[in-house]
Amino acid sequence: DQQVKQNSPSLSVQEGRISILNCDYTNSMFDYFLWYKKYPAEGPTFLISISSIKDKNEDGRFTVFLNKSAKHLSLHIVPSQPGDSAVYFCAASSRDDKIIFGKGTRLHILP
Amino acid sequence: GAVVSQHPSRVICKSGTSVKIECRSLDFQATTMFWYRQFPKKSLMLMATSNEGSKATYEQGVEKDKFLINHASLTLSTLTVTSAHPEDSSFYICSARAIVNEQFFGPGTRLTVL
Repeated sequence: DQQVKQNSPSLSVQEGRISILNCDYTNSMFDYFLWYKKYPAEGPTFLISISSIKDKNEDGRFTVFLNKSAKHLSLHIVPSQPGDSAVYFCAASSRDDKIIFGKGTRLHILP
Repeated sequence: GAVVSQHPSRVICKSGTSVKIECRSLDFQATTMFWYRQFPKKSLMLMATSNEGSKATYEQGVEKDKFLINHASLTLSTLTVTSAHPEDSSFYICSARAIVNEQFFGPGTRLTVL
């Protein structure tokens, strides 16, 4: 049973436009959410996170929104750049700090 | 999807002892495995990359002699925390990469050093 779901395996966005990556979760015990970015042949790197006490966290071009009632979070990237082409993993953790990852969404930024 | 297991899932040890954590790819051969450490409520920190049959590549700031990595086969990598101290207590996650360049994460191992 997938506790963290990324239902879009891939997404294509024009350079300069907004990229929106979505993530749903089922476990109401999750209290911390993270997004990781992964390039081919490299390990994932941390991008941005949000605590369950917040509904928005912004860091430069990246903003994460959390809707607890819907158990949904999203990552917004604006403006999208060619270097943003990568696989993005949504992840969630609860108080025991175990990370549960989604399967990832491959983002293609088109020129 | 591909499955990566870690053993043990939790381990408690005394300060000064060594602990071995195993990472196995169950249904595929992993040319490369990664070891991460997760600090509470923070991001994963890549510790090292191990390739089957060769020495691991450690990230800057990671002590090679303290965190011994062995990638003896295409399905098994081990991380040994030597002379463990309380500050080594953490959540250790491995991931395995198959030839097709997809990376799959293990469930993690919680290490508590008393």
